[in-house]
Amino acid sequence: DIQMTQSPSTLSTSVGDRVTITCRASQGISSSLAWYQQKPGKAPKLLIFAASTLQTGVPSRFSGSGSGTEFTLTISSLQPDDFATYYCQQYNSLWTFGQGTKVEIK
Amino acid sequence: QITLKESGPTLVKPTQTLTLTCTLSGFSFSTSGVGVGWIRQPPGKALEWLALIYWDDDKRYSPSLKSRLTITKDTSKNQVVLTMTNMDPVDTATYYCVHRPAYGTSNYAFDYWGQGTLVTVSS
Repeated sequence: DIQMTQSPSTLSTSVGDRVTITCRASQGISSSLAWYQQKPGKAPKLLIFAASTLQTGVPSRFSGSGSGTEFTLTISSLQPDDFATYYCQQYNSLWTFGQGTKVEIK
Repeated sequence: QITLKESGPTLVKPTQTLTLTCTLSGFSFSTSGVGVGWIRQPPGKALEWLALIYWDDDKRYSPSLKSRLTITKDTSKNQVVLTMTNMDPVDTATYYCVHRPAYGTSNYAFDYWGQGTLVTVSS
C-alpha cells in the first residue's frame, strides 16, 4: 500500500500570508497526485490534479508542484475563504489520502 | 451537470450489514474510464477510500476492508451500491460517493462528490 504523509498537521496563519503544505508518498507515484479542500460539514472539493493542474474554477492563487515522492500545495496569498482542511491524495495505485492539514487563523 | 446523491440508513446496529446507494445523474456510466467510488470520513478524522467500480464492471477495494465490502452498479437505474458487512462502532462515519472522470481527460482524481451521508453504528 502507498502511504501519504502531510506536513504540517496544523498551520496557524493570517490573511495575505503565503502558505505551503507538503505531501510525501511512501513510494514513487509519478504525478498522480491531487489536492482537495474541505470546509466543516461539506464534501471535499478538488483543487489540483496531476500534481500541478488547476481544476476549472479554482483561483490562481492555488498552485501545486512536485513529482515522484514529494509534492507541495502553495497558496500565494491566503484569503478568508481559504481557511479549511487540505488533503493530498495519490491515485497511482488505488487511492490513498494524507491525514490532512488544517489551515487556521492565527 | 454531474450530481451524485447518497442514500441509506442513518443508524445501524453492530454486526449488521450496511447498504448504501449512490444515485447518479449528468453523465453516462458507459463512457470508457468512468468510475464511481466510495470514501468515508469518521467524525473529526481523515478521508479513507473504500471501493470503486468502473464503467466496464471492473472493481477495486481497499485492501484493509476488502473482505467486508461489495460494490455493484445498476446502469439502468443510474445507481451504485456499496455493502459493508459486520458493522462496528468504529465504522461510524460520513460516507461519500465520488465520480472518477473518463479516459482522455488527464484527470483521474475525484472531481465530483456527493453531499455525504452520516452513518452511526450503535446498539
